[in-house]
Amino acid sequence: DAMVIQNPRYQVTQFGKPVTLSCSQTLNHNVMYWYQQKSSQAPKLLFHYYDKDFNNEADTPDNFQSRRPNTSFCFLDIRSPGLGDAAMYLCATKPWPLTSGIDNEQFFGPGTRLTVL
Amino acid sequence: AQTVTQSQPEMSVQEAETVTLSCTYDTSESDYYLFWYKQPPSRQMILVIRQEAYKQQNATENRFSVNFQKAAKSFSLKISDSQLGDAAMYFCAYEETSGSRLTFGEGTQLTVNP
Repeated sequence: DAMVIQNPRYQVTQFGKPVTLSCSQTLNHNVMYWYQQKSSQAPKLLFHYYDKDFNNEADTPDNFQSRRPNTSFCFLDIRSPGLGDAAMYLCATKPWPLTSGIDNEQFFGPGTRLTVL
Repeated sequence: AQTVTQSQPEMSVQEAETVTLSCTYDTSESDYYLFWYKQPPSRQMILVIRQEAYKQQNATENRFSVNFQKAAKSFSLKISDSQLGDAAMYFCAYEETSGSRLTFGEGTQLTVNP
């Protein structure tokens, strides 16, 4: 089945130690998103790619970086994780622009739960 | 900037009963998309239902339906015949027709009691 895959599902890192989260998709969607979601809160968009074009949200800290080497893969790099970066990180994809027969919908992965010690 | 407000942090319903989750939004656009997403305890977010603002007819998907009031900027979700598997966090979301990003509400935690 076509899907959005996130690895690892659980990641533990130490304060200040760089960490990379990965997302892959078999949907061949051209738009990919990274969200940060803290407990009982709405997802907060960090950035998104439209094809290779990177779009950073204005309030995303410089500590967060992203790479998209090809259509299928997207990475979230946290250069120096702080305790406040502990959260669930969600990857999502969607096709855009919409074409005939395609509905507007973001497809989410299961998330990576990041713990910072 | 667009905002989405869900005024009910928590709701509960008895199994087989009907529940309505509220959502209001603010926008100056005339055309846009509205969504309800469900996030069960496993945390994978899935789409429940979508509505395009230019369509006057309320969207329905099996037991899920919306009451879209464009003038009032209201977009409520009705769940009929509630099932235990409906227990989840529900997020209302807005998207401009440019399609670049979703604006989420704060979420409503729905509990279904047996």
